[in-house]
Amino acid sequence: GENVEQHPSTLSVQEGDSAVIKCTYSDSASNYFPWYKQELGKGPQLIIDIRSNVGEKKDQRIAVTLNKTAKHFSLHITETQPEDSAVYFCAAIINFGNEKLTFGTGTRLTIIP
Amino acid sequence: NAGVTQTPKFQVLKTGQSMTLQCAQDMNHNSMYWYRQDPGMGLRLIYYSASEGTTDKGEVPNGYNVSRLNKREFSLRLESAAPSQTSVYFCANRDREHSPLHFGNGTRLTVT
Repeated sequence: GENVEQHPSTLSVQEGDSAVIKCTYSDSASNYFPWYKQELGKGPQLIIDIRSNVGEKKDQRIAVTLNKTAKHFSLHITETQPEDSAVYFCAAIINFGNEKLTFGTGTRLTIIP
Repeated sequence: NAGVTQTPKFQVLKTGQSMTLQCAQDMNHNSMYWYRQDPGMGLRLIYYSASEGTTDKGEVPNGYNVSRLNKREFSLRLESAAPSQTSVYFCANRDREHSPLHFGNGTRLTVT
């Protein structure tokens, strides 16, 4: 099955700086890669996703890049703000009738004011 | 429009007790999922249901059973709770391929 590794497990950055979280996946057939943000006491919420036919996607201060050859993808948050503090999860899925989304182990991001 | 609703929010059980975690959606999505979240281990899939009346095992199904009696509801049952099942449980749904999961706010279960 798919295996997703996520690094780092914790990350602290000064407000206004950029944050980068990296994930690698094992199955080259994976073709959909969402990122989720989880705030304290809440369920994870999708913040951005990318499909395997795209190399990069941006949404305001958030971007995701995908390198299919190396089987890794990254989340980039620019101009970080205190409300970006949360736990972030990457995930990968093979969408050929397989409904199983495999998650990374999470990154706790802390923005230092 | 509540999305995905889980009950209860908190539960404490003694070893050997049974209980059912409830999940209901008002989004009319076909697929529903149960995950558990443990520190340092991310979210692990327990069971999922691709459509009404069907269920399949995920990564960690042992000790659990599920029921998808209709499109709206997907319940998770612990027949004989064990301390290893202490966790936060999340229900989620999904509309179709390449669409995101929508999560409930979780049930925090402690087994003593």
